[in-house]
Amino acid sequence: DAKTTQPPSMDCAEGRAANLPCNHSTISGNEYVYWYRQIHSQGPQYIIHGLKNNETNEMASLIITEDRKSSTLILPHATLRDTAVYYCIVSPYGQVGGGADGLTFGKGTHLIIQP
Amino acid sequence: EADIYQTPRYLVIGTGKKITLECSQTMGHDKMYWYQQDPGMELHLIHYSYGVNSTEKGDLSSESTVSRIRTEHFPLTLESARPSHTSQYLCASSEVGGELFFGEGSRLTVL
Repeated sequence: DAKTTQPPSMDCAEGRAANLPCNHSTISGNEYVYWYRQIHSQGPQYIIHGLKNNETNEMASLIITEDRKSSTLILPHATLRDTAVYYCIVSPYGQVGGGADGLTFGKGTHLIIQP
Repeated sequence: EADIYQTPRYLVIGTGKKITLECSQTMGHDKMYWYQQDPGMELHLIHYSYGVNSTEKGDLSSESTVSRIRTEHFPLTLESARPSHTSQYLCASSEVGGELFFGEGSRLTVL
């Protein structure tokens, strides 16, 4: 797996856009960027993934730089319920489980939404 | 909405007891996983399965064992619990190439 680097924590005001950066400078051509989040001690929740084009779904947008060495997850209107640890993971498509499949959850970014 | 269930959610047990953590999913996923997570720490994969009768060890060595006799069921067993096994255990499943769906976790405390 390519390693990712994320800031350990970030604050964002409620109602504002939360922009979470991720560096993955050693990403391979067949590796996707995945984002998950973990609210308190619940099981992680899938948010979004992409290869090289920007992606948007009902939860968030994913912006990947042209050289694919970094990406940004955008929560357009953060709410208090978005307070969580956000994990940026790079992995070949289909290999999302870990072990021989190659996915590893790192330390992530603890996003705190302030009222 | 993910249909993956773990029981028990919380378990406090004495040293030396045998425990089984249950995990079931109704999505028909072939791939299932067990992760271990200590409070405030990273998730570590301890077991995974590609399908019925398939079990593999993950990145983190664990004294637990798993079985996969049915597609929907992936229980984790500790034959003799110790305080060092105190942790949260998270089960997940996925289609091949799909995202992971996690259960709500089983928080184990061994006294």
